[in-house]
Order: sequence, then C-alpha cells, then structure tokens
Amino acid sequence: DIQMTQSPSSLSASVGDRVTITCRASQGISHYLAWFQQRPGKAPKSLIHAASILQSGVPSKFSGSGSGTEFTLTISSLQPEDFATYYCQQYNSYPLTFGGGTKVEIK
Amino acid sequence: EVQLVESGGGLVQPGGSLRLSCAASGFRFSDEYMDWVRQAPGKGLEWVGRTRNRGDSYTTEYAASVKGRFTMSRDDSKSLMDLQMNSLKTEDTAVYYCVRVLFASYSGWYFHLWGRGTLVTVSS
Repeated sequence: DIQMTQSPSSLSASVGDRVTITCRASQGISHYLAWFQQRPGKAPKSLIHAASILQSGVPSKFSGSGSGTEFTLTISSLQPEDFATYYCQQYNSYPLTFGGGTKVEIK
Repeated sequence: EVQLVESGGGLVQPGGSLRLSCAASGFRFSDEYMDWVRQAPGKGLEWVGRTRNRGDSYTTEYAASVKGRFTMSRDDSKSLMDLQMNSLKTEDTAVYYCVRVLFASYSGWYFHLWGRGTLVTVSS
C-alpha cells in the first residue's frame, strides 16, 4: 500500500497568513493526488484533484502543486472559514489512501 | 441539486450485520463510479471500497480491512448504492460517507462530492 505522510500534523496561524501543507507519498503517484477540507462536525469537501486542479466553486486562494512523491497545498490568505483539517489522498493505485490530516487552528 | 444522502446507520452488536444506503440525485448516477469512505470517531479518513459503472461491468474494489465482510451493490434505476456489512467488529465503528467519483482524461477517477454520512456504532 502507498503511505501518505502529511506535515505538519497541526499548525497555528492568523487570519491573513499564507499557509503551506506538505504531503509525501511512499512511492511515485504521478499527479493522482487530491486534497480535502473538513470542518468540525462536517463531511469532507473536495478542494483539488490531479494535484493542482481546483474543484468547481473552490476559491482561488487554494492552490496545489507537485508530482511524483511530494505535493503541497497552499492557502494564500487564511480566513476564519479556512480553519479546518486538511487531508491529502492518493488515487494512483488501490487501496486508495489518505494522509493523516493537518489541523489548521487559529493563533 | 446534486446530492448524496446516506441512511441505515445505527447501533449493532459485534458479529452482527447492517446495510447502508446512499441515495443520489441531480446527476446521471449510472455514469459514475461510487465509493464509500469511513471515519472512526476522532480519527482520519479511510477508504472502504468502490463500485464501478455499467460500462466497467459494475466491478468492485475493497480495502483489505473489509474485504470478505462488506459488499457493495448499486441499482442504477433507483440511483441507489448499498453497503452490506457483515461480521461487524468494534473497529468498524465510524461515520460512513458515500462519494461520487468523476472521470477526466488527465485527472483520472477523482472524488467529487461527499454525502453527509451515517454513523455506525458496533458495540455490545
């Protein structure tokens, strides 16, 4: 199975900050990487697929990059609604696997 | 409105069975792959399984942790997907989400829309 490792596992940031989350795959997954946002008590929401393509309706402050084994999610200017847990997922091969999550908290 | 609504969750004893359903609306269900993903209380996301569309012969994939115990099925005429869960264990306790999976030539089959989830509790 492909292991997905996110870092950091949590971070504290202020409104307006730029935040970057890293996701590493234990083997190459090309660009088959997705990012999800989960607010407390809510279902996950799809943000990005194919490493860098924003889902319809997702604001452009979110961006993704990377290929192979290393990927990043960047939020350009944190807003109160962005405080949540973010997960990466590889869908290059079965079983599909998720990173452990990065909790973004208010400083 | 494009929507997924899960149902069927509840309390079940270890060794018991439960059947979850996912009702889809607002899109052409028969064209899509559909997945189940679960989340144990306070934990991360775990992929459970996938059912492909008619064009791919409704074949399925499962996580090792549920293979042989869980079975996915779908009824395209009703836009419904089911998850039959047998021989349930306490570690199957989780919120179960159904997910619509879309295809694009560059992106491959990617997660698009999540339902709100249904809670399954396995406990004596």
